[in-house]
Amino acid sequence: AQKITQTQPGMFVQEKEAVTLDCTYDTSDPSYGLFWYKQPSSGEMIFLIYQGSYDQQNATEGRYSLNFQKARKSANLVISASQLGDSAMYFCAMRDLGGATNKLIFGTGTLLAVQP
Amino acid sequence: DGGITQSPKYLFRKEGQNVTLSCEQNLNHDAMYWYRQDPGQGLRLIYYSQIVNDFQKGDIAEGYSVSREKKESFPLTVTSAQKNPTAFYLCASSPGQMIEKLFFGSGTQLSVL
Repeated sequence: AQKITQTQPGMFVQEKEAVTLDCTYDTSDPSYGLFWYKQPSSGEMIFLIYQGSYDQQNATEGRYSLNFQKARKSANLVISASQLGDSAMYFCAMRDLGGATNKLIFGTGTLLAVQP
Repeated sequence: DGGITQSPKYLFRKEGQNVTLSCEQNLNHDAMYWYRQDPGQGLRLIYYSQIVNDFQKGDIAEGYSVSREKKESFPLTVTSAQKNPTAFYLCASSPGQMIEKLFFGSGTQLSVL
């Protein structure tokens, strides 16, 4: 069965510093996708970044990058130059690209607090 | 602007009562989903629909029902059989089966009186 593990319930970071949010996954499927979502206090889920299992390079989207280590089954999110507006819950998720459904499996999330 | 609209934002349910959460999208997406979020937990899939007039159970479908009569709409009914309905409910959509991401609504907080 597929599983996503986020071991950091909460993190603090100083404004303008970089922070890494950990995510490990478990799947027996060779084809899968990994996602990171941000959930501010308002509740909506905001898509940040995507990494396919066959992608050769780590995904980047502005200040967000995904440190993809396939052999270790980890997909850590790196936020560079943290801003106060980055304070939110962050969820790692995985989708089985070879399956018949399109459902995402989510981790339990990491609460990030950016301090001025 | 295209997007997903969930209503109401807050909903209260009395014991033994069925309540329906609305989800409407104007993104022309084929697939729609309902997730439940409890404090300290990730999102869990309740139901999903990949095409009109068809839907499948997710991981925690007991006590819930859905319908998909129109492409734009995927309402979720929380029935009296759901004994612990207090949670944050999120609706999402995607263009089709092979997608890169889900688009989410702003959620409905359901509480039991």
